Amino acid sequence: AQSVSQHNHHVILSEAASLELGCNYSYGGTVNLFWYVQYPGQHLQLLLKYFSGDPLVKGIKGFEAEFIKSKFSFNLRKPSVQWSDTAEYFCAVILLNQAGTALIFGKGTTLSVSS
Amino acid sequence: DAGVTQSPTHLIKTRGQHVTLRCSPISGHKSVSWYQQVLGQGPQFIFQYYEKEERGRGNFPDRFSARQFPNYSSELNVNALLLGDSALYLCASSLSGEQYFGPGTRLTVT
Repeated sequence: AQSVSQHNHHVILSEAASLELGCNYSYGGTVNLFWYVQYPGQHLQLLLKYFSGDPLVKGIKGFEAEFIKSKFSFNLRKPSVQWSDTAEYFCAVILLNQAGTALIFGKGTTLSVSS
Repeated sequence: DAGVTQSPTHLIKTRGQHVTLRCSPISGHKSVSWYQQVLGQGPQFIFQYYEKEERGRGNFPDRFSARQFPNYSSELNVNALLLGDSALYLCASSLSGEQYFGPGTRLTVT
């Protein structure tokens, strides 16, 4: 079955540190890729997405992600985190060429940023 | 513009009961999807509807059903509730690929 793996369950960083969250998916076909964020007490929000074209995509709040097709990866990065980035981050995939457009989510990574 | 809205916000039910959860998509969005999120996990896909037709179904038992109305709002129904159905139920609407989520309905089954 297709799946999404997020390597880090909980990441703890100090403000201004750089962030990289890993995401791998298992599907050999064409995919759309997403990162969602859930801030404490808020609902899921779209951070960024990749459909096609430039594999380096930029999202909101200074986040970016790189799609590496050969590695089936879509890692999320931010050069300098802030306390307000404390949240849960979910990587998700839509498998194209299949009926419907269901998102397949990873288990999520909790990011805690200390000031 | 209003985002995706869901009702109720919280719900407590007893095992064996039935529950109906409601979702109103973003204006203009014709597709609605439902997800179940248990604590410590990512959301799991339950159903997707587009123009009132089911477009996809996840690996959930037949106790779970859904429908979409002419105004594109949607209902998720769960029969014969089990303790394991306790979760956050999320609705998402989409227009062209990216899905926008509502705040969810927190269902507790006792």
